[in-house]
Amino acid sequence: QKEVEQDPGPLSVPEGAIVSLNCTYSNSAFQYFMWYRQYSRKGPELLMYTYSSGNKEDGRFTAQVDKSSKYISLFIRDSQPSDSATYLCAMNKETSGSRLTFGEGTQLTVNP
Amino acid sequence: DTAVSQTPKYLVTQMGNDKSIKCEQNLGHDTMYWYKQDSKKFLKIMFSYNNKELIINETVPNRFSPKSPDKAHLNLHINSLELGDSAVYFCASSQDPHEQYFGPGTRLTVT
Repeated sequence: QKEVEQDPGPLSVPEGAIVSLNCTYSNSAFQYFMWYRQYSRKGPELLMYTYSSGNKEDGRFTAQVDKSSKYISLFIRDSQPSDSATYLCAMNKETSGSRLTFGEGTQLTVNP
Repeated sequence: DTAVSQTPKYLVTQMGNDKSIKCEQNLGHDTMYWYKQDSKKFLKIMFSYNNKELIINETVPNRFSPKSPDKAHLNLHINSLELGDSAVYFCASSQDPHEQYFGPGTRLTVT
């Protein structure tokens, strides 16, 4: 069983929709949670980074961590065609230094 | 002013050949990484160097050998290439391990 599970999609939504992207994990030692965005044929870029539980907001993006359910989410409000990309969740333990564990990514298309 | 750059961008080669991929970062970061992304987009760490010292060495065939001549450069040499090595290889760097900056990737195709 993978440590981090992420539905690969594809997910297709109309412009302006609220998008919810999710990951579940099995190891309660994960403390740091990241969301990366990867455009086609480009490298991943960090979108959001949270430590432990709670919410973090940055413009149209909100990251949510529920450690009791081992579940993290990324919400995109007022989605735009430029949000079309693959979204990867990543996690890290206190003891694993720089070793991130990634989900396999969800491919999102926002249709104009 | 590219932050993390990789060369080449594309690499097509035959089985059995030896090839190298180069990576440079101008962010002043202490840590650099090599990742492999397979056809299903699954991104997996291979190696990490901190200030030229190897700190992560995942279960990777020893045909893969990283080399860090200085903290701004991390190269990846692959011997005796196999079909299964076909993937996109990403270099990354960070100061904070949770904020990694990725290069554009090298798409390796082994025929």
